[in-house]
Amino acid sequence: QIQLVQSGPELKKPGESVKISCKASGYTFTDYAMHWVKQAPGKGLKWMGWINTYTGKPTYADDFKGRFVFSLEASASTANLQISNLKNEDTATYFCARPGGGFDYWGQGVMVTVSS
Amino acid sequence: DIQMTQSPSVLSASVGDRVTLSCKASQNINKNLDWYQQKLGEAPKLLIYFTNNLQTGIPSRFSGSGSGTDYTLTISSLQPEDVATYFCFQYNSGPTFGAGTKLELK
Repeated sequence: QIQLVQSGPELKKPGESVKISCKASGYTFTDYAMHWVKQAPGKGLKWMGWINTYTGKPTYADDFKGRFVFSLEASASTANLQISNLKNEDTATYFCARPGGGFDYWGQGVMVTVSS
Repeated sequence: DIQMTQSPSVLSASVGDRVTLSCKASQNINKNLDWYQQKLGEAPKLLIYFTNNLQTGIPSRFSGSGSGTDYTLTISSLQPEDVATYFCFQYNSGPTFGAGTKLELK
């Protein structure tokens, strides 16, 4: 069965970096892009962008240009999100999602907490 | 950027009620709209894609409609398990989610 399994929760200090992963299984990884979605505590969903899993080319929403990097470990069917120079407002749950006629599969989410 | 306005922000309804949730775009999005259900502590779940296509495994009491700038998610007979927050998502241009409608039981 198709699954997206994300890495575990992270506690970081402001200014640090974090890298979270999203491991896909049950389908051919390079046949579908991977999108990233942010959800701050108690807030709505915010689309961050996506990565072409065949070419590796990332596309970032305007609010996520600069400190955010999407990458791949294609041989491991894994997409990664790295956030550098963390700020308090980066505290959120980050989801990966596969587009297949809507986002039909989602990771369970990774809670990143930024606190001094 | 296309703004998506969902209304109401909170909706209280009784089991068995017909419920209508609205999503209005700031410009024509050509039916490029999905609906998601999110229960507390869970990842969102796809309900409807491309305005009116029911995702596999989703109960037929959910339906979507709309065109241009105005879109609707309808639950024909509200069930207790439908308590959740519902988000619309447009992908016509510069993808954006609506702010959500929280659906509660009266």
